[in-house]
Amino acid sequence: SYVLTQPPSVSVAPGQTASITCGGKNIGSESVHWYQQKPGQAPGLVVFDDSDRPSGIPERFSGSNSGNTATLTISRVEAGDEADYYCHVWDSSSDHVVFGGGTKLTVL
Amino acid sequence: QVQLVQSGAEVKKPGSSVKVSCKASGDTFNRYTINWVRQAPGQGLEWMGRIVPVFGTTNYAQKFQGRVTITADESTGTGYMDLSSLRSEDTAVYYCARGWNHLRPTYDAFDIWGQGTMVTVSS
Repeated sequence: SYVLTQPPSVSVAPGQTASITCGGKNIGSESVHWYQQKPGQAPGLVVFDDSDRPSGIPERFSGSNSGNTATLTISRVEAGDEADYYCHVWDSSSDHVVFGGGTKLTVL
Repeated sequence: QVQLVQSGAEVKKPGSSVKVSCKASGDTFNRYTINWVRQAPGQGLEWMGRIVPVFGTTNYAQKFQGRVTITADESTGTGYMDLSSLRSEDTAVYYCARGWNHLRPTYDAFDIWGQGTMVTVSS
């Protein structure tokens, strides 16, 4: 089955840029979605279709996808961005949704 | 504002079943998918399966095949997830999530999530 690999943790200082990767075989040919989950809350969509943002999501959140790696980039990181982030693709070979293992973003 | 409202917390014995509901308010189901995702304590997200209500079709994660049944009642805008033969490892928060592209799964991002239902399996 298709596997998505994320780093367990990423740390960044306020105002800097955080990059969270999601690795998968030929993931560049898939559409990747990203979710943010804060403690005690349900996840929320922050990026869809590789690089689009739902309404209400700041422009600081952006995404890219090429080759074997998709990336969620958060510019000018704020304390409120501290959360777990998950990537999501549809595996058409198995007709399953696959989530990455999640990355905990810590704002120093 | 569309919301998904889930049923309350459950405590179940090993070997029993649990049925969690997910009611949509403010919109209908028929242009969306309803997905079920669970999260064990301190763990990541795990997709269990989905239903496309307008077609009545379902997809289940291989791990849960034979133990999970996902249904939807379009007349009431309510989705259901039934998990049987419960064991302690099924202790988790169960979320329903609306997918917005019922025609193309690749583009079916989950834009609205329920509040989650805690299911505890304990003897």
